[in-house]
Amino acid sequence: QQPVQSPQAVILREGEDAVINCSSSKALYSVHWYRQKHGEAPVFLMILLKGGEQKGHEKISASFNEKKQQSSLYLTASQLSYSGTYFCGTASGNTPLVFGKGTRLSVIA
Amino acid sequence: KAGVTQTPRYLIKTRGQQVTLSCSPISGHRSVSWYQQTPGQGLQFLFEYFSETQRNKGNFPGRFSGRQFSNSRSEMNVSTLELGDSALYLCASSLAQGGETQYFGPGTRLLVL
Repeated sequence: QQPVQSPQAVILREGEDAVINCSSSKALYSVHWYRQKHGEAPVFLMILLKGGEQKGHEKISASFNEKKQQSSLYLTASQLSYSGTYFCGTASGNTPLVFGKGTRLSVIA
Repeated sequence: KAGVTQTPRYLIKTRGQQVTLSCSPISGHRSVSWYQQTPGQGLQFLFEYFSETQRNKGNFPGRFSGRQFSNSRSEMNVSTLELGDSALYLCASSLAQGGETQYFGPGTRLLVL
């Protein structure tokens, strides 16, 4: 079951914050976040495991609510380099990652 | 370490033809997964190989097949190409099978005319 991401697209000015959500109808073991810039391959940002804590990567952090099968990606003080499409990938036990349709983030000056 | 490599990077085919795409994983990675990416659909899982065995398969027709060799390199084949097969095909490698972190290659962009 493909996770649902929201919003589908967001436009930010430099320095603004954003939240991207990912929800699944299945019990999750892990949530993975990736960013893909135009014409490039998706790049791994972070993984959140069941029972784990919130993780951070520079000014990008994420949380995982196991009970609600939801994860949120937080981008603070956005920079132009944050532009791209963000994907969440979810796994339930020993299953392959299933990715959402992505959230297109555009940061403008 | 060298990243995941895919060949060719671009391909143009006509309907009815077949195509083979190649993927070399990161050294030491034993699992290779394939994804199809089209606008608006995100990353659609095709299949996953580990130790030369297909471990999981996505919801794609039998025209899509793959294999993995003893050196973990993988190939994906699409027979009887259709216009709708035009997409970016991404290969990803990971240390183990299942929900492990995927490291993606640059992809092969296939255009079917």
